[in-house]
Amino acid sequence: SQTIHQWPATLVQPVGSPLSLECTVEGTSNPNLYWYRQAAGRGLQLLFYSVGIGQISSEVPQNLSASRPQDRQFILSSKKLLLSDSGFYLCAWSEGQGVEPQHFGDGTRLSIL
Amino acid sequence: AQKITQTQPGMFVQEKEAVTLDCTYDTSDQSYGLFWYKQPSSGEMIFLIYQGSYDEQNATEGRYSLNFQKARKSANLVISASQLGDSAMYFCAISAGNMLTFGGGTRLMVKP
Repeated sequence: SQTIHQWPATLVQPVGSPLSLECTVEGTSNPNLYWYRQAAGRGLQLLFYSVGIGQISSEVPQNLSASRPQDRQFILSSKKLLLSDSGFYLCAWSEGQGVEPQHFGDGTRLSIL
Repeated sequence: AQKITQTQPGMFVQEKEAVTLDCTYDTSDQSYGLFWYKQPSSGEMIFLIYQGSYDEQNATEGRYSLNFQKARKSANLVISASQLGDSAMYFCAISAGNMLTFGGGTRLMVKP
């Protein structure tokens, strides 16, 4: 069966520091991969999605970036974090073809001080 | 572009009773999917149920059913026999192709 791993679970970072959140999927090949952010008490906002290695689409212009160095690995990064980057970050995957449900990791709670 | 509207920010339901969570959508696509997710206080997003735009029958998954009214562009979630563990945020979402658009969510609180 497929599983998705996301780490770390919580992270506290100072303003201006770099960021790297990692997500890996097991048990499937060539999945679609997604990064979402959720502000407290709000819905999910799609940040990036990828349909293959090295293919990244950005939905919201900001100081975050994403990379997909391997088929089942998706990384969310920033060179300099802002206070507004605080939130709950969720990685998700779905099958590559058709209208399929997305399956989420457990999320990373990021606090910027 | 797709849009999801969930008009109930919070709802109470008595344990063992049924509850309906509202969801309306807007899309210009002919083929799309409608999803419901549950988010407990721990934060993970749990997929509950899916309805395709061409499915003629309403989807059901255990105690969850989706009341799909295409002409009204609504996809309400019905939870039968509510349990205390059903207390959570519930999100409706619509997809066209690979993209999911989420609503703002409804917080359901089940009273013992």
